[in-house]
Amino acid sequence: AQTVTQSQPEMSVQEAETVTLSCTYDTSESDYYLFWYKQPPSRQMILVIRQEAYKQQNATENRFSVNFQKAAKSFSLKISDSQLGDAAMYFCAFPNFGNEKLTFGTGTRLTIIP
Amino acid sequence: GAGVSQSPSNKVTEKGKDVELRCDPISGHTALYWYRQRLGQGLEFLIYFQGNSAPDKSGLPSDRFSAERTGESVSTLTIQRTQQEDSAVYLCASSLSRGAGYSNQPQHFGDGTRLSIL
Repeated sequence: AQTVTQSQPEMSVQEAETVTLSCTYDTSESDYYLFWYKQPPSRQMILVIRQEAYKQQNATENRFSVNFQKAAKSFSLKISDSQLGDAAMYFCAFPNFGNEKLTFGTGTRLTIIP
Repeated sequence: GAGVSQSPSNKVTEKGKDVELRCDPISGHTALYWYRQRLGQGLEFLIYFQGNSAPDKSGLPSDRFSAERTGESVSTLTIQRTQQEDSAVYLCASSLSRGAGYSNQPQHFGDGTRLSIL
């Protein structure tokens, strides 16, 4: 079974600065996908970025990028030019092969300091 | 609307009562998932539907929990004889996944139902 670990329960960053949230996982699969979701106080889970494990290139979506280290089973999220609206819980998620149900990490609460 | 809709948004009930939570997925999404999120924790998988069938119910915590889906659309999660430990946010998600491997289809989530058991 897959496991997903987020070792930083809370992080804070100054507005306009860069922050990196860490995630490690364990799997026996060789080809898979990984996701970062954001959950603001509204409770809705919003997809931030996805990474395909067979791709060497790290995924990027505007100010969000990942540092994917397949051998180390590490999938960190970098947020550049942090904005107040980035304040939220961030969850790393790994889909199960087949039905693609997601296994989530315990989350990192990100605070943006004005 | 175009997104996943859940109702009610909040539900407060007394211990021992039954509750029904509803999820309207995005039209055309064959895969539907229910998750539970206890306060300050991550999401736990409950049940997965592909069409109207539920091939994976492995996350349901007890036989007090059941779910159904009809018309490859609406799903209801029913909790019988509620207990205080059932208090949580229940989130529904849908996707275009066909359940045949890795599709890279993201799950789209509703806003959840916050269930409070007194």
